[in-house]
Order: sequence, then structure tokens, then C-alpha cells
Amino acid sequence: GAVVSQHPSRVICKSGTSVKIECRSLDFQATTMFWYRQFPKQSLMLMATSNEGSKATYEQGVEKDKFLINHASLTLSTLTVTSAHPEDSSFYICSASPAGAPYEQYFGPGTRLTVT
Amino acid sequence: DQQVKQNSPSLSVQEGRISILNCDYTNSMFDYFLWYKKYPAEGPTFLISISSIKDKNEDGRFTVFLNKSAKHLSLHIVPSQPGDSAVYFCAASGTGDYSGGGADGLTFGKGTHLIIQP
Repeated sequence: GAVVSQHPSRVICKSGTSVKIECRSLDFQATTMFWYRQFPKQSLMLMATSNEGSKATYEQGVEKDKFLINHASLTLSTLTVTSAHPEDSSFYICSASPAGAPYEQYFGPGTRLTVT
Repeated sequence: DQQVKQNSPSLSVQEGRISILNCDYTNSMFDYFLWYKKYPAEGPTFLISISSIKDKNEDGRFTVFLNKSAKHLSLHIVPSQPGDSAVYFCAASGTGDYSGGGADGLTFGKGTHLIIQP
């Protein structure tokens, strides 16, 4: 079945640096990919929606200049957290929706970001 | 304002009995509902879904019921097994317009931690 991978699974970075997280659909083409964020003991919050070849659509309250999303191919989307701060520490999860199946979303395993 | 609500943060059920997890939503534009199971530090795993045109969908031990008039859905797990212990998220999607071929991001509830007691 549909598999989505994320890399890295865990990253620790210093405040002020940038971190890139990759999301790949391994066995299907994803026209749409989503990025979610989960704080401890809280729900997953949709950050942005990215469609291959076009600019991402950000949810209200999400800074697009801080969370850069690139969806350059049908199997890869990247999230770059720029000038990271400790409050950006969180669990970031991507999901991918196959072409022609907008109701299906397959989630990656998540990336734990810790900013020191 | 939370559009998808899971009012029980946790639920404890004895092994072999039925687990019932509840979810309420406020946005009448939602037309597709999903349940996910999640372990700590992992991505959600899809369990079962239901379209707004149905009121019940069954898959093995999992059954989802949808009451549109009450904007309520529930997940039934029968019989409950120790491996079912996890956090369960209810999610909703859709404005109903997929003519452009694009998908919608999901709106999640806060989750219910299900604990299956031996």
C-alpha cells in the first residue's frame, strides 16, 4: 500500500539556523501534499497545502516566510523551518494525497524537531 | 473555535468488550470523515472512513457510524484487543468540491487515548 517517508526522523538544531524536512511518496504520485504540526498532547494542526508545481497555501496564522514549502515533483515536498527558535520545536508530519484520489491521505512517520 | 471535537481525552475498556469513541463536528460543509490511530512519535495510521452520504461503514472489528443531523460520529471497536491501545483521532474533510482534482487538508480532533485493560 501507499507509503510516505520523512527525513530526518529527528533533528536537533541551534536557534537561528534553518532545518529542511523532506517528505516523499514512495510508491505513488502525490499531486497534493500537506504539512501538519503537533504540539505535545494536542491535535494535529494543518499548516499548509502544497500542490506540485505551484505555491503552497498556508493556513491562517502560519508564517509563510518562516515555513518554506517546496513541492518540486510528484513524489517530493520539503518543509524548511528558517531561523528556527525554541518555540518551533514540535512534531512535524506530512501527508500525501494520490493523484485522482483526493479523499485519501497517507501520512509520513513524522519528524521531531528540537531547537536549542 | 474547534470544528472537530473529541470530548473524552481518555477511555479505558476491558479486553474483549466494545470500545466506543465519539466525535462531534460543527462545520456542516464537512462531507468526509476519517478515523486514525496514532502511537507517540509516529504518524497517524488510517483506520476507517465514511462519506456523508452514508450512515455506517464497517471494516472488520471497526465500524463507524455517522449521524448527520446531530453532527456526530462514533467509532466502535469490537472486540477490543490490547494492541488497540493508542490515541484515536477523528478527522474531517471537504467542501464537497473536487472538480479541480485537489484534495483538502484534514481538520483533526484532539484525540482520545484508548487504554485496553487485560
